[in-house]
Amino acid sequence: GIQVEQSPPDLILQEGANSTLRCNFSDSVNNLQWFHQNPWGQLINLFYIPSGTKQNGRLSATTVATERYSLLYISSSQTTDSGVYFCADNNNDMRFGAGTRLTVKP
Amino acid sequence: ETGVTQSPTHLIKTRGQQVTLRCSSQSGHNTVSWYQQALGQGPQFIFQYYREEENGRGNFPPRFSGLQFPNYSSELNVNALELDDSALYLCASSLDPGETQYFGPGTRLLVL
Repeated sequence: GIQVEQSPPDLILQEGANSTLRCNFSDSVNNLQWFHQNPWGQLINLFYIPSGTKQNGRLSATTVATERYSLLYISSSQTTDSGVYFCADNNNDMRFGAGTRLTVKP
Repeated sequence: ETGVTQSPTHLIKTRGQQVTLRCSSQSGHNTVSWYQQALGQGPQFIFQYYREEENGRGNFPPRFSGLQFPNYSSELNVNALELDDSALYLCASSLDPGETQYFGPGTRLLVL
């Protein structure tokens, strides 16, 4: 099955900084999703982005399906952005990466 | 708030016991998927149900089984619990397979 690789595994930022999280896939992606998992375990949908670019407030995502990668941009980070960010290919059996653990310090 | 609920929130069992976890999907969502998330890892797909039929299964043994009901509720059953079954169990609902999945808050299972 498809392999999903996320980088970096850990990221520590000062409040207000920008960051880019990357997701690489071993095969063609069909229905890419980005999630944020808060400290209580709840997975929150950020983007459903099989291709192209989408923006939602301080967050934006770009998927280049032909090159098998997706990027999540976080601008002007806040402490509430802390948590683990996952990308996944939603092809019935959704394959998740290992996640990027983001810590935003005040 | 995703509209997907799970019960119980926490559960402690002993090795060899059986457990049933429950999920209530968003109304109108015909598809439910279950995932196991061990500490420090990404969620792993267990299986998916679509209109009450199994529609795909991950690499989990048969002692993991499920049911989906017409009222948008579903169950995950695990028999003969092992210590390694300790994890966060997540369900997710979607309108149809392959569409955006919305996750519940999870059930934390501890097997002693």
